[in-house]
Amino acid sequence: DAGVIQSPRHEVTEMGQEVTLRCKPISGHNSLFWYRQTMMRGLELLIYFNNNVPIDDSGMPEDRFSAKMPNASFSTLKIQPSEPRDSAVYFCASSPRTDYQETQYFGPGTRLLVL
Amino acid sequence: AQSVAQPEDQVNVAEGNPLTVKCTYSVSGNPYLFWYVQYPNRGLQFLLKYITGDNLVKGSYGFEAEFNKSQTSFHLKKPSALVSDSALYFCAVRDRGSTLGRLYFGRGTQLTVWP
Repeated sequence: DAGVIQSPRHEVTEMGQEVTLRCKPISGHNSLFWYRQTMMRGLELLIYFNNNVPIDDSGMPEDRFSAKMPNASFSTLKIQPSEPRDSAVYFCASSPRTDYQETQYFGPGTRLLVL
Repeated sequence: AQSVAQPEDQVNVAEGNPLTVKCTYSVSGNPYLFWYVQYPNRGLQFLLKYITGDNLVKGSYGFEAEFNKSQTSFHLKKPSALVSDSALYFCAVRDRGSTLGRLYFGRGTQLTVWP
């Protein structure tokens, strides 16, 4: 399996622009997670889905952030409008089942820089 | 509330010496505990987990961790460190009694192994 796939790997944009990050989870995995990593705040869970349904979005910073999972093989995280403080590495992860024992498999991340 | 503490931002050890990366946790119920490793410019990779049973858990690359319920700790250990073990290590916890399946990560500990 190719693992979790994220695109783009790097994104540089200007403040105010819309940014869309994409994730393809491992085939057969039922749970998908979006994380953000910064030096200041460490690794933060933004939102996660079980069977394509958002379960916990309490980590989404504000209304500028939105996430969707239209099917089992694709998810997007959108920031509109983007701000410099959104600069971070965004990770997508998936896990095989919805029980709580399962390991999460992380993608390589998208490094976002908002100027 | 659930939380994880990694009291050391950095751990430095000479190659061939034993290493320990510390982790303590707080959950309202019984925990599932995980260790992940992150190499530069990569996503997190699973190392090991404690679900139930033997308190000593063995994982990838010769790492092991010991679950200590009375001390609420899950320290990561390796008998003989390698330069290639240098990376950022994250401890994570889930409350097995929680209806939400999210992982809570520590801030990470940067391990440097000197040749």
